[in-house]
Amino acid sequence: SQKIEQNSEALNIQEGKTATLTCNYTNYSPAYLQWYRQDPGRGPVFLLLIRENEKEKRKERLKVTFDTTLKQSLFHITASQPADSATYLCARRGSQGNLIFGKGTKLSVKP
Amino acid sequence: AAGVIQSPRHLIKEKRETATLKCYPIPRHDTVYWYQQGPGQDPQFLISFYEKMQSDKGSIPDRFSAQQFSDYHSELNMSSLELGDSALYFCASSLASGSGETQYFGPGTRLLVL
Repeated sequence: SQKIEQNSEALNIQEGKTATLTCNYTNYSPAYLQWYRQDPGRGPVFLLLIRENEKEKRKERLKVTFDTTLKQSLFHITASQPADSATYLCARRGSQGNLIFGKGTKLSVKP
Repeated sequence: AAGVIQSPRHLIKEKRETATLKCYPIPRHDTVYWYQQGPGQDPQFLISFYEKMQSDKGSIPDRFSAQQFSDYHSELNMSSLELGDSALYFCASSLASGSGETQYFGPGTRLLVL
């Protein structure tokens, strides 16, 4: 089956460090992947979309990469801040136009 | 900028009761999606509408139905509520005629079934 997986349930880092989150996919080749941020009890917020022909995309302190050989997308937050603490969801497009999410990685940035 | 609006934000119901959740998409967005997110889970697709017509169905129970009205707002109707229906329900909207890939989520309705 077509899977999208975020293997780390939680990631704890120190303020100022770079957080790197991983999203792996198997048994298909997505045209693009998206990353969302979700705070507790709130709706997911779109952060970045990267297409299969793009190696890297940046937005302020955020960077996402797409490696079709490794079947993996990496999401980086540089100079992390406690305010970056949240759950980050990787998502692919489902056959019905819906989003199919990974289980998410809960990031905690300690001051 | 206007965002997706959902109401109510919180809802408490008894088992076997009915509930209606409302969603107002971003103006000019033509597609609405409903998702259910259980505790500690990722959002799961329920149903979608494009230009007021049902577009696709995901894992939506037969007890649930939804529609989109002429003003593009959508309602999710849930009947014979069960304890397991307790979850966060999100509505998301997108513009299919644009890139269509990015979905903008509302703040959600937290449903508690007692």
